[in-house]
Amino acid sequence: QSALTQPRSVSGSPGQSVTISCTGTSSDVGAYNYVSWYQQHPGKAPKLMIYDVSKRPSGVPDRFSGSKSGNTASLTISGLQAEDEADYYCASYAGSYIHWVFGGGTKLTVL
Amino acid sequence: EVQLVESGGGLVQPGGSLRLSCAASGFTFSNYWMSWLRQPPGKGLEWVANIKQDGSEKYYVDSVKGRFTISRDNAKNSLYLQMNSLRAEDTAVYYCARLPFSDTSSGWSGVHFDSWGQGTLVTVSS
Repeated sequence: QSALTQPRSVSGSPGQSVTISCTGTSSDVGAYNYVSWYQQHPGKAPKLMIYDVSKRPSGVPDRFSGSKSGNTASLTISGLQAEDEADYYCASYAGSYIHWVFGGGTKLTVL
Repeated sequence: EVQLVESGGGLVQPGGSLRLSCAASGFTFSNYWMSWLRQPPGKGLEWVANIKQDGSEKYYVDSVKGRFTISRDNAKNSLYLQMNSLRAEDTAVYYCARLPFSDTSSGWSGVHFDSWGQGTLVTVSS
């Protein structure tokens, strides 16, 4: 069982928007603004998509956005494209002993 | 371009040892914290260990403390993970990742993993 809870799967049609939630606790997501999101295509390495809750690394399309409310963080992908189909993982800093915790991952299907 | 290339994975019996390596290029390796993370087959990601730029600070997830040792050689732009007393539950793809962490008077930044290698598979089985 992962420390952060994500839906196992979400889906959407091209051009639509989807939101993936990531629920933690007051010791991780709720305590720090250090939530990051990673995209992973099958057989590939994870790629950083969002950091510090809502910041995008250079090169990541602005269709990807992040937010947080309380113990739940969210990744929203607007204007879905076929290449967005992948697994998405959230992560949060969790303090000096546990350090980082991850969600179990969400499989995004573009219909 | 940042490149991280892991090697050293393979099949090992329970109780055995393995040493993973990660060759870094495209950035000033000695300026960055580095990390190992892992992903069991078909499962999610797990952070394993971090090491500071000069190797003076190391941190581990509880499940590997006392069994795994992270180290680095800045002259060789390389990161290592020595894994001893391996268990079946250590079976995973192991990734090295760059951690752009900075602690300044303005606060923390870089609390995420901004570049990852392709991973190396470690299988612990008899």
